[in-house]
Formats: sequence, structure tokens, C-alpha cells
Amino acid sequence: IAGITQAPTSQILAAGRRMTLRCTQDMRHNAMYWYRQDLGLGLRLIHYSNTAGTTGKGEVPDGYSVSRANTDDFPLTLASAVPSQTSVYFCASKVPGHLPRGKLFFGSGTQLSVL
Amino acid sequence: AQTVTQSQPEMSVQEAETVTLSCTYDTSESDYYLFWYKQPPSRQMILVIRQEAYKQQNATENRFSVNFQKAAKSFSLKISDSQLGDAAMYFCAYYDDYGGSQGNLIFGKGTKLSVKP
Repeated sequence: IAGITQAPTSQILAAGRRMTLRCTQDMRHNAMYWYRQDLGLGLRLIHYSNTAGTTGKGEVPDGYSVSRANTDDFPLTLASAVPSQTSVYFCASKVPGHLPRGKLFFGSGTQLSVL
Repeated sequence: AQTVTQSQPEMSVQEAETVTLSCTYDTSESDYYLFWYKQPPSRQMILVIRQEAYKQQNATENRFSVNFQKAAKSFSLKISDSQLGDAAMYFCAYYDDYGGSQGNLIFGKGTKLSVKP
């Protein structure tokens, strides 16, 4: 693993089903994020975690949950998927401390289609 | 709350020419950071350039440069000698350390750049 790994790369899901998007990083970054990208809306923050054991809500958290049991993993769960959750999902982590402030490292994204 | 506005949903440029992408933002903070990210069709998010608000000098990275106007809260990206590989979605983003953005990046809606051969 180098950087951030997301799985799956893409997924078609029936409405009402439960789905967990996986995100793993090997850079020991404390802060991690989940964004969704929709055409014309840019990237919007769903949930974030500043450190293992803590999470917070972003701009569009409804219908999603996250956990941060350890530094490396930050899964995103859709408890009961709806078509409006069709989107591209990006996981990201942030360089800590006095390194370039605010620079994010991104995973390659998950294309999710809810039918 | 901080906001980032990209007023050009789409732009087009001829290969080898120069194009400028616009970005404005709103914040009450004096110390913050601004970024331009590139997203080619591969979906990968690539950091193009960053600017610290406390620096008056505009950042440059090879063919990419910014025009940072702090008083006007403007942060435009200039791409010189455009190449076919520059075709992508470009996102402007804002960050500060002070909790206003919860330590997270705030993105604009993006500008899709096409490069004509």
C-alpha cells in the first residue's frame, strides 16, 4: 500500500441495501475525510476524523456514518442506500503539523450508483 | 462560514495559449491557505499550486501561476502554454487552521477546462 487505498473502485447497489466504502492509508496521517463529488456541486464534506477515536459531521452527513477505530482505517457506511447517494466518493488524509498546511492526499475514488 | 466560488463552469483554450480560471472566496480570517487541484478524466485529484495568505508573492509552478488579490479575496489560476494534458476539472479550495472550516478544505464547484488542438 502506498498512500490511500479505496475499495471498491465502483459499485452498483440496489436502493435500501447497506454498503461500506473502505479507506486505508499507510502514511500515519491523523486527519481523514470523506467527500462526495457531484457534477456542478464540487466536493462536499460528508464526515471527518481529526484523530483515531473521534469523528465529526461535515456539510452533508445525513444517511452516512463513519468510524475510526485506528489511525489507518476510515470506513464510510450507507445504512440504507438511496438513489440520491449516487456519487463519486473520495477519501482523503491530511499532512500533519508544520508540513504544507492544508494539503490533502486523496484516494482514487469510488463510483457508487444506487438504483 | 467560508465559501469558495468558481464562476466559470466551463472554459476552453487553444493549445499553446494562455487561460485564466477565476476563483473568489469569503472569509473573516487573515491567515489561510488557498489551493488549486486538478482532476483529469482518471479521477485522480492532483495538487497544482498552493498559496499562503501571509505571502504577498504570487505562487508559481512551472506553467501554472496564480494572481492572489487578498483584499479582493480573489485567487485566479493562469495556465501558460496550454497543453492537451491540461484538460481537466480544476477546483479551487480554501483552508484555515482556526476552526472556521473545521480544519477541512472547502472546495469550489469546479471549472471544466477543455484544450483544443
